[in-house]
Amino acid sequence: DARVTQTPRHKVTEMGQEVTMRCQPILGHNTVFWYRQTMMQGLELLAYFRNRAPLDDSGMPKDRFSAEMPDATLATLKIQPSEPRDSAVYFCASAREGRETQYFGPGTRLLVL
Amino acid sequence: LAKTTQPISMDSYEGQEVNITCSHNNIATNDYITWYQQFPSQGPRFIIQGYKTKVTNEVASLFIPADRKSSTLSLPRVSLSDTAVYYCPLFSNKLTFGGGTRVLVKP
Repeated sequence: DARVTQTPRHKVTEMGQEVTMRCQPILGHNTVFWYRQTMMQGLELLAYFRNRAPLDDSGMPKDRFSAEMPDATLATLKIQPSEPRDSAVYFCASAREGRETQYFGPGTRLLVL
Repeated sequence: LAKTTQPISMDSYEGQEVNITCSHNNIATNDYITWYQQFPSQGPRFIIQGYKTKVTNEVASLFIPADRKSSTLSLPRVSLSDTAVYYCPLFSNKLTFGGGTRVLVKP
């Protein structure tokens, strides 16, 4: 049963610290999405990649957030420096092709104090 | 952007049919209409997808009128385990899931 995996599942950090979240997409999927979910804003798309190239990162605060795909099996989302308003659940999802069904990971629950 | 609009919440009872409508007036020609379900502390899960007319699978039915400006997710004979948040994101709307529709199924 192929699944998207995310690490860590939970992260508590202090304001100003760097946070790195990792995602392993389903093998064979060429599109990876990063989302953020909060009570106030709901589920928002931050960025997505196809064949490891960033296609849209307009939803991501550029000054502190960065997203990369070092290889086809790993996507990373970094926040540096982190701020309390970054506290949220961050989901990664992958799809076989861009517009096809997305499969979501379990999320990383981030708390910035 | 093709903004979507859904009711914030709906209540139902076990065994009833639940219909959730999503409005997407400016849907793009190449957009598929997809519905997802999310339980607390989990990521959204695909339910059903369609382009036009009607699609049915083992979980739900999806009704799409000819103009495609809306879609209705139909959950037949709901059970308590169908209590969740339901979303209808569109690719042309930056895949904005928003707040979704909170469905509460009561005994």
